[in-house]
Amino acid sequence: RKEVEQDPGPFNVPEGATVAFNCTYSNSASQSFFWYRQDCRKEPKLLMSVYSSGNEDGRFTAQLNRASQYISLLIRDSKLSDSATYLCVVPNSGYSTLTFGKGTMLLVSP
Amino acid sequence: NAGVTQTPKFQVLKTGQSMTLQCAQDMNHNSMYWYRQDPGMGLRLIYYSASEGTTDKGEVPNGYNVSRLNKREFSLRLESAAPSQTSVYFCASSPEDRAPNTGELFFGEGSRLTVL
Repeated sequence: RKEVEQDPGPFNVPEGATVAFNCTYSNSASQSFFWYRQDCRKEPKLLMSVYSSGNEDGRFTAQLNRASQYISLLIRDSKLSDSATYLCVVPNSGYSTLTFGKGTMLLVSP
Repeated sequence: NAGVTQTPKFQVLKTGQSMTLQCAQDMNHNSMYWYRQDPGMGLRLIYYSASEGTTDKGEVPNGYNVSRLNKREFSLRLESAAPSQTSVYFCASSPEDRAPNTGELFFGEGSRLTVL
């Protein structure tokens, strides 16, 4: 298994829809997980952190399943402004740096 | 708030030419990183510097050199550019060396490099 793998995209959803992205990781010792957001031709920015079972921030919920080694990002009531690429990020096996997934593109249409 | 500043933002090189990408941060962060991003490949770590005076290789260091000039500045040098180095390069910084624990990486706006 690769260090981090994400659902292939793009995900095309209408405004108001609920969408979920999954990400699997290989380092079973990881204690921290992150979702970054990257707008087109912009730099990535930290969206959410997940340290235990999950984390919720408004319309965004990140969940962790340690047994299956995957994390998910749920976006409820999608907005046009949610259109972006979402990057799953986990510490590398040496816990010295962060490893980024290839990203999943979300396109929210009117 | 400048944050992380990269220069140049765009550059076109011919194969074999050399150049240096500059990165500076004004957040008093100890750790700095250079990533490259290619379509379908995601962000890949080239080199990082956990603190002033130290540098370590990342996933794809071949063809690159780095210098941690001081706490603020971390440069990336291409000695002999190749078309395979056409990419978007991102510099990032984090407080101390806690990025793996906190996920806090602050990125610059990126430098788009094309090697012909």
